[in-house]
Parts: sequence; C-alpha cells; structure tokens
Amino acid sequence: DGGITQSPKYLFRKEGQNVTLSCEQNLNHDAMYWYRQDPGQGLRLIYYSQIVNDFQKGDIAEGYSVSREKKESFPLTVTSAQKNPTAFYLCASLQGGNQPQHFGDGTRLSIL
Amino acid sequence: QQQVKQSPQSLIVQKGGISIINCAYENTAFDYFPWYQQFPGKGPALLIAIRPDVSEKKEGRFTISFNKSAKQFSLHIMDSQPGDSATYFCAASGNTGKLIFGQGTTLQVKP
Repeated sequence: DGGITQSPKYLFRKEGQNVTLSCEQNLNHDAMYWYRQDPGQGLRLIYYSQIVNDFQKGDIAEGYSVSREKKESFPLTVTSAQKNPTAFYLCASLQGGNQPQHFGDGTRLSIL
Repeated sequence: QQQVKQSPQSLIVQKGGISIINCAYENTAFDYFPWYQQFPGKGPALLIAIRPDVSEKKEGRFTISFNKSAKQFSLHIMDSQPGDSATYFCAASGNTGKLIFGQGTTLQVKP
C-alpha cells in the first residue's frame, strides 16, 4: 500500500537535546511538508521541499531543521533552540500542482 | 492576507441533523479549497475539495458550497452520524501547493 510512514509515534525530548522525526513516503511524490499541530491552532507549516536537495522555510521554521537527500525521505530535527516543542507533528506529501496533500499519522513529541 | 478563518470552533449536532462549517479567505490567488477530516491520533484525510470554477460539489453526504465573490466556502454534512464525530479543517492553496489551514472545528454528533 502506498502511503506516508512517520516514526516514532511518540517521542520524548530531554532539555538541550536534539531529536529527529522520520517521514518516509512511497507515493513517488515530489513535494513533502512538515506541519506542527497545537490544540485550537490548526496546522502550521514548518518546512517544505518541492524537490530533492532543496527545501524552504515555512511560517514557523525557527528551532527546526530538515534535509531532503532522497525523494522518499524528509526527516525533521527539533533542535534545542525550539523552546516549546511539545506538539503533534505531521508530515505530508504532494505530487504537484493543486492536488491533495496526503498525510502521515503523526508523531507526538513531549518534553521529559 | 494568507489567513483562512474557520467557524465555529466546536459544533454539537444530533444524529440525522445537518452540520455546517464555514470558512473565509482573503487571498484571491487561492484556487484550490480542500476539506480534511481528522480523528484523534491520526493524520488529516482529504474529505472533499473544490475549485473556484464551480459553486457546489457533492460527494455522498458531504457538500461544499463556494461563494467566490464573498470569498467564503462551507462544508455541509447531511444526515450527520456519530461516526462523523471528528475535527474538520478547511484549507486553501494557490499554485505552489502550500496549504493554508483554518483553525479547525471539532464536531460531535450525538446519538
């Protein structure tokens, strides 16, 4: 089955620690996105990549970093500079143009 | 100008009733308006989408109404069922594919 796999489902971060969230897709989509979801605030765009080896900042990129070395993979690192990392993180992919974005089932990050 | 405003924040409907969620946008360059349904602990799933060249789109019990001049669009869920209880997000995008999401509406359908 084609889809987007996010791992882990739950993640805990210690103070001063960087953590990396995995996102893999087998849909052969060109574009991939990372969103942060907080209660009552909808989804906010962190980073996106429309092609391998290229990515752009979204609306709330501070404290996060990404890489896009392979078409199917778009990992997100939550750095120690992100002071309020507790949230539900969603990865999505898109074939191109105005087509629907497909979402993974998310990673819930909490602070220890 | 990039915002999409969604209302209400929460909605309680009796089984068999009609659920209505409204969204408004500012950017006239938006040309794709999807609605997503999200269950707890899951990612959003596309429910139905519309482009501005039509005023209404219906898929089963779900209908999008689109008013281009008012820059508003709405989701109607007919014959609402307890299984429809979820969070619903409207969104809008232009040709970049970047989606701007509304704040979400939590729908509870009472049996």
